[in-house]
Amino acid sequence: GQQLNQSPQSMFIQEGEDVSMNCTSSSIFNTWLWYKQEPGEGPVLLIALYKAGELTSNGRLTAQFGITRKDSFLNISASIPSDVGIYFCAGHPVTDSWGKFQFGAGTQVVVTP
Amino acid sequence: DTAVSQTPKYLVTQMGNDKSIKCEQNLGHDTMYWYKQDSKKFLKIMFSYNNKELIINETVPNRFSPKSPDKAHLNLHINSLELGDSAVYFCASSHGMETQYFGPGTRLLVL
Repeated sequence: GQQLNQSPQSMFIQEGEDVSMNCTSSSIFNTWLWYKQEPGEGPVLLIALYKAGELTSNGRLTAQFGITRKDSFLNISASIPSDVGIYFCAGHPVTDSWGKFQFGAGTQVVVTP
Repeated sequence: DTAVSQTPKYLVTQMGNDKSIKCEQNLGHDTMYWYKQDSKKFLKIMFSYNNKELIINETVPNRFSPKSPDKAHLNLHINSLELGDSAVYFCASSHGMETQYFGPGTRLLVL
């Protein structure tokens, strides 16, 4: 399966700092999803985006569906220690079959007090 | 009241054995999936069922056979386990093509 380009691969930040990560592809997408995975758990949905240009917030998290429909970003503001985890983007290409999402390789976020 | 549940959470077995992983969702979704997450955390789709019908079947060895007895259940049977099958297997469900919700994962270790 194809993989999205997600960057950065990892981030080591201090508590209170903002975090930004993004995913890009050469394909056009009709849905972007952002998940967080903590050790020993399954990915948990954070934000879902369905329209180009859409900007959606979930608490301190904000994500946008890129206007070209080929990218998306996720921002975390004022990070706290419990933000630690791996953040995955997932996108559904318009040309692909039912439910066949592509996933990024993940961004490992480490927050130090 | 777990939404997507999987059993077992851990599975340690010998090469050559046959094992099954079970998944159940109580979200009323009509589509279920199996993913494999390798040691580098890359999530790769294996199978998907919509209303008990197989709709996604990626390039997966035929030792892996999914089975959906009803819309709320999707099981994965693996024959003749190999060392390379060691991974975390996630079940997920969705309503149609919409957002997918993941289970807690089954950690498979083949010795």
